[in-house]
Amino acid sequence: GAGVSQSPSNKVTEKGKDVELRCDPISGHTALYWYRQSLGQGLEFLIYFQGNSAPDKSGLPSDRFSAERTGGSVSTLTIQRTQQEDSAVYLCASTTYAVTEAFFGQGTRLTVV
Amino acid sequence: AQTVTQSQPEMSVQEAETVTLSCTYDTSENNYYLFWYKQPPSRQMILVIRQEAYKQQNATENRFSVNFQKAAKSFSLKISDSQLGDTAMYFCAFMKRGTNAGKSTFGDGTTLTVKP
Repeated sequence: GAGVSQSPSNKVTEKGKDVELRCDPISGHTALYWYRQSLGQGLEFLIYFQGNSAPDKSGLPSDRFSAERTGGSVSTLTIQRTQQEDSAVYLCASTTYAVTEAFFGQGTRLTVV
Repeated sequence: AQTVTQSQPEMSVQEAETVTLSCTYDTSENNYYLFWYKQPPSRQMILVIRQEAYKQQNATENRFSVNFQKAAKSFSLKISDSQLGDTAMYFCAFMKRGTNAGKSTFGDGTTLTVKP
C-alpha cells in the first residue's frame, strides 16, 4: 500500500477483555515498530521487528502484551485482560532495510472502560 | 543506549514570527540520523526534516531548518514565518544508520501553538 495502515482507528473495550490491533506496513519495508503514546505524552517503544531476526521485545510493559509479525509483513499487537492504564494511542511504523526514516500509521486509539 | 531530551514541553509563537525548538541527545554512535517529526491533532506523524550525522551542512526544508551541533549533541529546529497550520506536537528522534539499526528513540515532545 501507499502508506502504513492501522486498524481499527478507534477501539473501545471493557476492562478485562482482550484486544488485537493490526498494522500493515509499507510493502517491502523489513522493519516494523510499535509505540504507545499516552494522552499528550511522548512515544514509548514497545517492540521492534527486523526481517527474520528475533524481535526486540524490551519495551513491552507486561506479559499481557504480545506481538507477532506474519510472513514478514502484517503485525498484530495483542493486549490480554486489558486495564484502564492501557488506554492510549498505539502507533505502528515501518522502515526499509537500509534505514532512512520511519513511516508511521495513523494509530489506533484504545479506550478501556 | 541512546537518549533524546526535549526540554520545552510547551511553546507558543505569534503567526509569522520565528520559533526554535530545542533537542539534545546522547549516543556513542557515530553514524546516525536525527529527525524532527510533527504530530498534528489528526495523530499522523509527519516527517519535517532529517539530518545525517556525517553531513556538516544543516538541513533545510522550506521554512524549517536545523542547527546541528554534533560535538555538543544538539539538534534544534527553527520554524520561520510560523503559520497556524504549524500548531502541533513536535518530536525529535534519533535513529542509527544502516541495516538492523534497531529501534529509534524519541524525545517527549514539544507542543507548539501558533497564535493568530
